[in-house]
Amino acid sequence: DIVMTQSPDSLAVSLGERATINCKSSQNILYSSNNKNYLAWYQQKPGQPPKLLIYWASTRVSGVPDRFSGSGSGTDFTLTISSLQAEDVAVYYCQHYYGTIYAFGQGTKLEIK
Amino acid sequence: EVQLVESGGGLIQPGGSLRLSCAASGFIVSNNYMNWVRQAPGKGLEWVSLIQNDGRTYYADSVKGRFTISRDNSKNTLYLQMDSLRAEDTAVYYCARDSFAEYWGQGTLVTVSS
Repeated sequence: DIVMTQSPDSLAVSLGERATINCKSSQNILYSSNNKNYLAWYQQKPGQPPKLLIYWASTRVSGVPDRFSGSGSGTDFTLTISSLQAEDVAVYYCQHYYGTIYAFGQGTKLEIK
Repeated sequence: EVQLVESGGGLIQPGGSLRLSCAASGFIVSNNYMNWVRQAPGKGLEWVSLIQNDGRTYYADSVKGRFTISRDNSKNTLYLQMDSLRAEDTAVYYCARDSFAEYWGQGTLVTVSS
């Protein structure tokens, strides 16, 4: 089964600065027949279910601010918040949906410095 | 409007069984991939199970052989039958629509304890 590993486990960034979260899959999750990476990013705030931010590694969900962006391919992926806002404090998870056994990364806790 | 509402959680002794329900509205469950995802207290998200629109089912190794995902098309409801429950199954259980899940329920808490 594919294992997802995020780094760092926690991150403190100043307001207005860039935040970068990395996610590595143990196997390639780029499907060659459609050239799509089967990776999503979620944001979770306390007491709430996760919120989908990004799918296909780089497609932003409608309504998600454009300061959130996803990049990467194959086994290495990145979620970038270009200018951190106070409301972005949360735990962020990557998830692969390649094949039929899905998995999440362990999460990255993002705080304000 | 798409809505998912979980129910059926509670306190159960180790070795016991529980069935969770996820009532859907605003879409047809059988036309979509549906998942169960859980989150132990203070921990991260763990994918549990998937039922595809063709009815095929898949499970995480941690629950395989103990949990069963199913759906009732007439009730537009997703289920998770949980047997031989263990303390480590204690978690909030969420149902979620699609492989990359834009729609989630609010979750139902399952506590396995004597």
